[in-house]
Amino acid sequence: EAQVTQNPRYLITVTGKKLTVTCSQNMNHEYMSWYRQDPGLGLRQIYYSMNVEVTDKGDVPEGYKVSRKEKRNFPLILESPSPNQTSLYFCASSLSIRQANTEAFFGQGTRLTVV
Amino acid sequence: DQQVKQNSPSLSVQEGRISILNCDYTNSMFDYFLWYKKYPAEGPTFLISISSIKDKNEDGRFTVFLNKSAKHLSLHIVPSQPGDSAVYFCAASGIVSGSRLTFGEGTQLTVNP
Repeated sequence: EAQVTQNPRYLITVTGKKLTVTCSQNMNHEYMSWYRQDPGLGLRQIYYSMNVEVTDKGDVPEGYKVSRKEKRNFPLILESPSPNQTSLYFCASSLSIRQANTEAFFGQGTRLTVV
Repeated sequence: DQQVKQNSPSLSVQEGRISILNCDYTNSMFDYFLWYKKYPAEGPTFLISISSIKDKNEDGRFTVFLNKSAKHLSLHIVPSQPGDSAVYFCAASGIVSGSRLTFGEGTQLTVNP
């Protein structure tokens, strides 16, 4: 089954404690991205990757890091989480950059709370 | 600066009637528009899209209309079904922004039996 898998689904952590949210896709997609969803703001792109070892900032990259060492994985790293990073996070993948606007598959989301 | 706006946070309609969800955008460089649907505890799923060279695209019960001069698009669902109850996100992209999608705030649609 084609899917994007995020882990964990729920996470409560304390300010400053480094964490990683994993994302994996099994569709051999080139393009992957991370979004955060906040009330009244919709989904905002954090980082994206057009292929292995190619990443770039989205609209709200501050406080986040990503890596793309393998095609299937695109982890989101919060080196020093702060309460304003409490949000619902989604990973997404698409077949290619040209098709990033269609057939985008989203993971089920990670609900992060930073206290 | 919200470039894609969905001014109605919620919409309630009766089963069998038409649902109309609206979306406005400000960036004239956007040339591709999409609607995503999201159920609770799930990720968004792609629903329908439209290129700026068209003014209408239809897929079963779902039709998207684009009015470029007004920078406005709408999603029509006919007939509405209770299973359509979800949050609907409008999104836009343009050549200059590459493949980055800019999303609206979302509209919660509730279809009452």
